[in-house]
Amino acid sequence: GENVEQHPSTLSVQEGDSAVIKCTYSDSASNYFPWYKQELGKRPQLIIDIRSNVGEKKDQRIAVTLNKTAKHFSLHITETQPEDSAVYFCAANSNYQLIWGAGTKLIIKP
Amino acid sequence: GAGVSQSPSNKVTEKGKDVELRCDPISGHTALYWYRQSLGQGLEFLIYFQGNSAPDKSGLPSDRFSAERTGGSVSTLTIQRTQQEDSAVYLCASSSWGGSYNEQFFGPGTRLTVL
Repeated sequence: GENVEQHPSTLSVQEGDSAVIKCTYSDSASNYFPWYKQELGKRPQLIIDIRSNVGEKKDQRIAVTLNKTAKHFSLHITETQPEDSAVYFCAANSNYQLIWGAGTKLIIKP
Repeated sequence: GAGVSQSPSNKVTEKGKDVELRCDPISGHTALYWYRQSLGQGLEFLIYFQGNSAPDKSGLPSDRFSAERTGGSVSTLTIQRTQQEDSAVYLCASSSWGGSYNEQFFGPGTRLTVL
């Protein structure tokens, strides 16, 4: 079955710098890759997703890239701000469900 | 419009008791998911409903866990004879159709504490 690995588990960056979180997946049939943000004590919320027919998608300071050959996808956050502090989860679809990464805690240092 | 709601928000119970957790999905959403999230951990898939049917129950940890969905809307997750290791936040999510290819909208969760 599908396996999703996410790295790093914790990422600390200076405010204003960029942050990159990477995920790899194992099922070549996966074709949908969302990223969710979970602030402390809150519910996960979708921030960006990408489908396998494109290689990159951007939404303001957030972008996601997908390499289907290598089976990995990455989240890029530019010009990080304090409100970007949260846990970020990647996922890949497999049959009826999403297989989730273990999460990355992003810390923005002032 | 109203989002996904869950009740209760917090539940404290004694070991061995049964608990029922409720999820009200967004109106019209046919897909519904239950997840479990332990403190500081990721999302553990429990069960998926498409309409009232559960084609994937593979994530239920044991036969103490069961879930149902009626009228294609409200779902309840029941945990019988609760154990301390059941303590976690239980999250429900709904999606307009296949939640494995569309955004899943999460509820606020139910924090379950088993003493």
